[in-house]
Amino acid sequence: SQKIEQNSEALNIQEGKTATLTCNYTNYSPAYLQWYRQDPGRGPVFLLLIRENEKEKRKERLKVTFDTTLKQSLFHITASQPADSATYLCAPRPGGYNKLIFGAGTRLAVHP
Amino acid sequence: EAGVTQFPSHSVIEKGQTVTLRCDPISGHDNLYWYRRVMGKEIKFLLHFVKESKQDESGMPNNRFLAERTGGTYSTLKVQPAELEDSGVYFCASSQASSGSYNEQFFGPGTRLTVL
Repeated sequence: SQKIEQNSEALNIQEGKTATLTCNYTNYSPAYLQWYRQDPGRGPVFLLLIRENEKEKRKERLKVTFDTTLKQSLFHITASQPADSATYLCAPRPGGYNKLIFGAGTRLAVHP
Repeated sequence: EAGVTQFPSHSVIEKGQTVTLRCDPISGHDNLYWYRRVMGKEIKFLLHFVKESKQDESGMPNNRFLAERTGGTYSTLKVQPAELEDSGVYFCASSQASSGSYNEQFFGPGTRLTVL
C-alpha cells in the first residue's frame, strides 16, 4: 500500500538557521508533491507544489526538491524565524487524483 | 473573501448519538472534500464532491457516515450512530473547478469531534 514517511520527531533549530524536512514515499509514483503548513487548531495551508518533472522549486525562503529516483522530497526553510514554527505536511499526489494523501507531518520549532 | 468555514468547532457526544458537521466552502468552488485526523494519525481523505455529486467516496470508513451536498453549496457530514473510534478532527476543503491542472485546496479550521 502507499506509504508516506516524515520524521515523527520534532525538529528544533536556532533562528536564522536552515530547516530541512524530509518526506519519503513508497509504492506509488506521484505526479505532484505538495507541502502544507499546519498550525495548532487550524487546517493545513498550502505552501508549495512541485511536479515530477521538476527537480527544485523556490518561493521566498522556501525551497522544495523532488527526487523521483530516491522517492524523496526535501523541504528547506532558509533564515528560519520563530514564526515558522508549525507542523509541515507532505502530500505526494498521483496524477489524475484530486484527493490529497498526507504524511503524518513533522513539527518544527524555531528558537530565538 | 471568506475562507472555508466549519461548524461546530467542537462537538462532544456520547457513543450511539448522532452528530452532523457542516462545511461552507469558498463561494464558487465546485470541489469540496472531507478529511479527518484521528488521534496520532495522519490526515486521511474521506470523500470528494464535484458540485452536488459524489466524485470519490473511497475514504468513507463505513455506512455510519453520510455526506451530502444538496444544491452544490454547503455540505454536511452525519455520523450515526457515533462510535468511540470516530473521535478526531474533521476537516473540509474546497477548490475551484478542475481543468486538468492542479487546483489548490483551501482548508477549513476543522471540527473536533469527541465521542465519549
